[in-house]
Amino acid sequence: DGGITQSPKYLFRKEGQNVTLSCEQNLNHDAMYWYRQDPGQGLRLIYYSQIVNDFQKGDIAEGYSVSREKKESFPLTVTSAQKNPTAFYLCASSIDTHGQGSFGAFFGQGTRLTVV
Amino acid sequence: RKEVEQDPGPFNVPEGATVAFNCTYSNSASQSFFWYRQDCRKEPKLLMSVYSSGNEDGRFTAQLNRASQYISLLIRDSKLSDSATYLCVVRGSPTGRRALTFGSGTRLQVQP
Repeated sequence: DGGITQSPKYLFRKEGQNVTLSCEQNLNHDAMYWYRQDPGQGLRLIYYSQIVNDFQKGDIAEGYSVSREKKESFPLTVTSAQKNPTAFYLCASSIDTHGQGSFGAFFGQGTRLTVV
Repeated sequence: RKEVEQDPGPFNVPEGATVAFNCTYSNSASQSFFWYRQDCRKEPKLLMSVYSSGNEDGRFTAQLNRASQYISLLIRDSKLSDSATYLCVVRGSPTGRRALTFGSGTRLQVQP
C-alpha cells in the first residue's frame, strides 16, 4: 500500500539530546514537508523540500535540521538548540503542482515528542 | 496578521443542521486551496480541494472568492461523525513558497 510512514509514534528525549524523526513515503511524491503542532494550535511549517538534495526553511526552522538525500526520505533532527521541542510532529508529501487541479498533501500519522 | 485566518469556534450544532465555516488568506498570489479535517490527536486528512467555480462532494460544498481572498466550507445534514477540527489550507504561488500554510482550525461538535 502506498503511504507515508513516520517513526517512532512516541519519542521521549532528555534535555540536551538530539533526536531524529523518520519520514518515508512510497507515493513517488516530489515534495515533502515537516510541520509542528502544539496543543490547540494549527500546524506550523518547519522545513520543506521540493526536490532531492534541496530544502528550504519554513517559519520555525531554528533548532531543527533536515536532509533529503533520497526522494523517499526526509528525516528531521530536533537539536538541543530547540528550546521547546515537546510537540506533535507531522510529515507530509505532495505532488508538486499548483493552480487548478493541484493536489493537497498527505500526512503520516505523526510523532509525539516529549522532553523529559 | 496571520496568513490564513479562521474562526476557532467551537461550533456546537445539532444533528441534521447546516453549518458554514469561513476562512480568509492574506497572500493574493496564492494558487491552491484546500479544506482538511483533523480528528483529536490524529493527522490532518484532505477533505477537498477548493476551486474558483465552487465544488461539491456529497454533503460538503466549498467556495472560493479570489477577489475577497475568502474561502468557505458548507456542511449540510451534519452527522455525529462530522465532529472534528476543520483546517483551511493555502498553497503559495509557483514562484513563491509552495508549501502549504494552515489556518488554526475551526472546531465542530455535532450533538445528538
